[in-house]
Amino acid sequence: EVQLVESGGGLVQPGRSLRLSCTASGFTFGDYAMSWVRQAPGKGLEWVGFIRSKAYGGTTEYAASVKGRFTISRDDSKSIAYLQMNSLKTEDTAVYYCTRDYYDSSGYSLGYDYWGQGTLVTVSS
Amino acid sequence: SYELTQPPSVSVSPGQTARITCSGDALPKQYAYWYQQKPGQAPVLVIYKDSERPSGIPERFSGSSSGTTVTLTISGVQAEDEADYYCQSADSSGTSWVFGGGTKLTVL
Repeated sequence: EVQLVESGGGLVQPGRSLRLSCTASGFTFGDYAMSWVRQAPGKGLEWVGFIRSKAYGGTTEYAASVKGRFTISRDDSKSIAYLQMNSLKTEDTAVYYCTRDYYDSSGYSLGYDYWGQGTLVTVSS
Repeated sequence: SYELTQPPSVSVSPGQTARITCSGDALPKQYAYWYQQKPGQAPVLVIYKDSERPSGIPERFSGSSSGTTVTLTISGVQAEDEADYYCQSADSSGTSWVFGGGTKLTVL
């Protein structure tokens, strides 16, 4: 059974840092890109960024709203994806979801077919 | 920055057909994806690559694309389909992804 479990959320003051983890099981983690999506209270989904699989270079892409502050990394040996969040702002308050994404042989995404349950990050003084 | 535009709400009676649109300039060259989200739950992928349906998703869910607009169609809407629906796609470079603002589907 595929499972994605986020951890590391909580209350943090503006300007501080927090690292989220996404622990995966039930599939070959290294074959998948891993993405982070957030949802502020009562708002819609916002794409945060993703990290490609090693087969596609293991490179990262980020939304403009977090670029330069957030960093996504992965440890394929442990099947964990990370979201390092620095210089946090009140507007970063949201539930953060991790998702998996498979790219087919033509290089097209097959969509986020599994999501974690989400972890709440609250940025407040 | 790139944006996808969805109607805030759509309402239909049970058994009718619901159509939810999503517009974006890069949609002619980028695939679209659709997610269903019910209150308190994580989103669920219902359509990928414009019109493909993941296993386990009912056949009443379908997707189509025409120019700068993609459409999620739910035929024979059921009460359980009441949810928020989000489209997703990439910008013209393919490196930055975005979600539409979401459409609340109400089953009357």
